[in-house]
Amino acid sequence: NAGVTQTPKFQVLKTGQSMTLQCAQDMNHNSMYWYRQDPGMGLRLIYYSASEGTTDKGEVPNGYNVSRLNKREFSLRLESAAPSQTSVYFCASSRTPQGSPLHFGNGTRLTVT
Amino acid sequence: GQQVMQIPQYQHVQEGEDFTTYCNSSTTLSNIQWYKQRPGGHPVFLIQLVKSGEVKKQKRLTFQFGEAKKNSSLHITATQTTDVGTYFCAVQADRGSTLGRLYFGRGTQLTVWP
Repeated sequence: NAGVTQTPKFQVLKTGQSMTLQCAQDMNHNSMYWYRQDPGMGLRLIYYSASEGTTDKGEVPNGYNVSRLNKREFSLRLESAAPSQTSVYFCASSRTPQGSPLHFGNGTRLTVT
Repeated sequence: GQQVMQIPQYQHVQEGEDFTTYCNSSTTLSNIQWYKQRPGGHPVFLIQLVKSGEVKKQKRLTFQFGEAKKNSSLHITATQTTDVGTYFCAVQADRGSTLGRLYFGRGTQLTVWP
């Protein structure tokens, strides 16, 4: 099993460009998450989907949109990238939204110039 | 959002020394999880604590959950170079939180000198 797969691994954007980060899990998990990681800031929750068909904002949702395409896939879209969105993005999944460990993908390193 | 403080931010030890990181919350927690992230890698789940006063061990790692379920610690005995990485706690509040919100501390970055 691949676990949680994120694409792409690296991306460079210019300010104002848009892009979608893809995430898929093959563990039949119900919940999926998008985090961003910046030096010294830990992991901050952008959006999450407690179950298929639902999405909710996390701590830092501004500038992002998400789509829970089906149970396996959860995408993150940047409509108009800004330098402040330069970060490492991690997708994660868990069996249930409460009390289950998170399984993380390998991350996407995004640079916005 | 959920407030969770993790200290220290950095810790440098010589191989063989012990290491402890602490996680403190302003509110009662339903559970706390610990993760390890190796340099350049992704966070990997270590353990979850649920019960008040719970203590769990994994080889040289000891995890504790406070009696009031507001704080936790991770202690590593006799560190090895393989322990290098950043250790994060992650919390969900006992009540009032939106289902699915898991908040991470800022992490403790451990460096081990051989």
